[in-house]
Amino acid sequence: DAKTTQPNSMESNEEEPVHLPCNHSTISGTDYIHWYRQLPSQGPEYVIHGLTSNVNNRMASLAIAEDRKSSTLILHRATLRDAAVYYCILRDIYAGGTSYGKLTFGQGTILTVHP
Amino acid sequence: DVKVTQSSRYLVKRTGEKVFLECVQDMDHENMFWYRQDPGLGLRLIYFSYDVKMKEKGDIPEGYSVSREKKERFSLILESASTNQTSMYLCASSITMGTGGNQPQHFGDGTRLSIL
Repeated sequence: DAKTTQPNSMESNEEEPVHLPCNHSTISGTDYIHWYRQLPSQGPEYVIHGLTSNVNNRMASLAIAEDRKSSTLILHRATLRDAAVYYCILRDIYAGGTSYGKLTFGQGTILTVHP
Repeated sequence: DVKVTQSSRYLVKRTGEKVFLECVQDMDHENMFWYRQDPGLGLRLIYFSYDVKMKEKGDIPEGYSVSREKKERFSLILESASTNQTSMYLCASSITMGTGGNQPQHFGDGTRLSIL
């Protein structure tokens, strides 16, 4: 899988928007951009994914650069419950063989939300 | 919402014991996965299953086996537990991978296993 780069940590205040960046300069044309997050003492949670166009769901928005070499996860109004480690992952649309469906998490971004 | 339930949040076992970790999903997903998560090493795939009675080795299968007798249930077995198997174990499920990279995985809350 192609490599992603994220800041080690970010901070935000409650009810403010948060923009979490991810660089993936070696992304291939068949790589989807996925975001997961992991709250303390819980399993990872799927947040959102996209290929080329910006995506919105009830949890967040995903903004993808035109050249697809970077993306930004947007939490529109951070809450204390959004404090977590956020992982940006690239997954080949045709993932198969011994890497069949495997998720590979990097170090992620630790998001701290202040009251 | 998808619900993936792991039988125990915390488990303490002794070296040499046979340990069973159970996972159940309620969304009729074909694919199920077992990972372990360790500080500094991230998520590592132990085994996965793409159908009942079907299994494939992941990256670190040594010392583990799995069982999938029913579609909703995927069990991880530590044949003879050792201290280096102390870890957080995570189960996940997903729908079938016609185009694998597009399918999100849904995780349970994990089992923190300590082997003494």
